[in-house]
This record gives sequence, structure tokens and C-alpha cells, in this order.
Amino acid sequence: EAQVTQNPRYLITVTGKKLTVTCSQNMNHEYMSWYRQDPGLGLRQIYYSMNVEVTDKGDVPEGYKVSRKEKRNFPLILESPSPNQTSLYFCASSARMSLGGQYFGPGTRLTVT
Amino acid sequence: AQTVTQSQPEMSVQEAETVTLSCTYDTSESDYYLFWYKQPPSRQMILVIRQEAYKQQNATENRFSVNFQKAAKSFSLKISDSQLGDAAMYFCAYRSSPGIQGAQKLVFGQGTRLTINP
Repeated sequence: EAQVTQNPRYLITVTGKKLTVTCSQNMNHEYMSWYRQDPGLGLRQIYYSMNVEVTDKGDVPEGYKVSRKEKRNFPLILESPSPNQTSLYFCASSARMSLGGQYFGPGTRLTVT
Repeated sequence: AQTVTQSQPEMSVQEAETVTLSCTYDTSESDYYLFWYKQPPSRQMILVIRQEAYKQQNATENRFSVNFQKAAKSFSLKISDSQLGDAAMYFCAYRSSPGIQGAQKLVFGQGTRLTINP
């Protein structure tokens, strides 16, 4: 089954404690992306990757890091989380020249206290 | 930069009735794609319908159809014969045509929460 998986699905942490949210896709997609969803703001892109070792900032990259060492994985790293990073996070993927939408993961609800 | 606006934070409709969700966008590009995504309480993002800007014909998927007005930069979603399972947050989204740097990025509106009244 074609899918994008994220772990963990829920996470409560404290300010400053480094965390990683994993994302993996099994569709051999070149393009992967992270979004955050906040009430009244919709989803906004954090970082994206066009292929292995190729990453770039989206619209709200501050406080986040990513890496793309393997085609299937695209982890999101919060080196020093702060309460304003409390949000719902989605990983998404698509083929490089896809004309359609993206496949989304199930979301990760992150709370930073 | 492109922007997408959904001016209706909440909508409600009686079961079996028809409802239209509004979306406007701003872009200087001539070729692009527009989408409606559904997000039920499970939080999963589900693609409902897609429209290519170069196509004049409005897209249709079963009970879901769009009214695409390119000159007005408007892209509304019509849900016919509303069902309880249609209750969800609906997002309008824009993406550029392939070949443009960062074209795969989806630009989302704020969302419209749709309630279905039995």
C-alpha cells in the first residue's frame, strides 16, 4: 500500500529538549515536504527536498532542520523546541514532475510546554 | 508570492442539501493547479478534487464539483446531496506548474469547517 508514515503521532515535550519527527514514504518519490498546520493559518511549508541531499527552506523554516540522506526518509528536527512550535505537522511526498497533489502522512501533534 | 484566501471560517448545511465553499487566490502565473483537500476529524488530508488552470471545463468528482473562474481568480467547491461523512475542514490549495523552482509547494487557504446537520 502506497503511504507516507510519520512517527510519533503525538508528542508532548518541554522547551529546549531536542526532538525528531520521522517521515518515510514507500513510493520512491523524489519530492518530500514538511508543513505545519495552525488554526486560522491553514498549512504552511517548513522545508522541502527535491531529492537526496537537496533541501531548501519553505515559508516558515525558523527553528527547524531537515536532512535527506535516503530517498525514502525526510526527518524534521527541532534542535531547541519552543512553545510557538506547538502545532500539527504533516509530511508529504510526490513524484518530481507530478501534476497532481501530494500524498500526506497522518500528522504529528506536537505540544511544547 | 501566491496567496489563497478562504473567507468562510465555518459553514453548515442540512443533510442532502447543497453547499458551496469559496476560495480566491492571487497569482501572476498563467499555468497552475488548484486543489480542494478534506480533513476529517482523523486529521488525514484527503484530496477531493483537482483543476488545471489551462482547462476551461470545471472538474467534477461524483458529488463534488468546482466553479473555476480564472479571470476572477476564484475556485469554489460545490458539494451536492451533502452527507454526514462530508463534515470536515476543507482546504483550498494552489501549486505552480512543474519546472518552476519549488513548484511542488502547496499554498493553502485558512480552511473552512463544514458542519452537516441531520
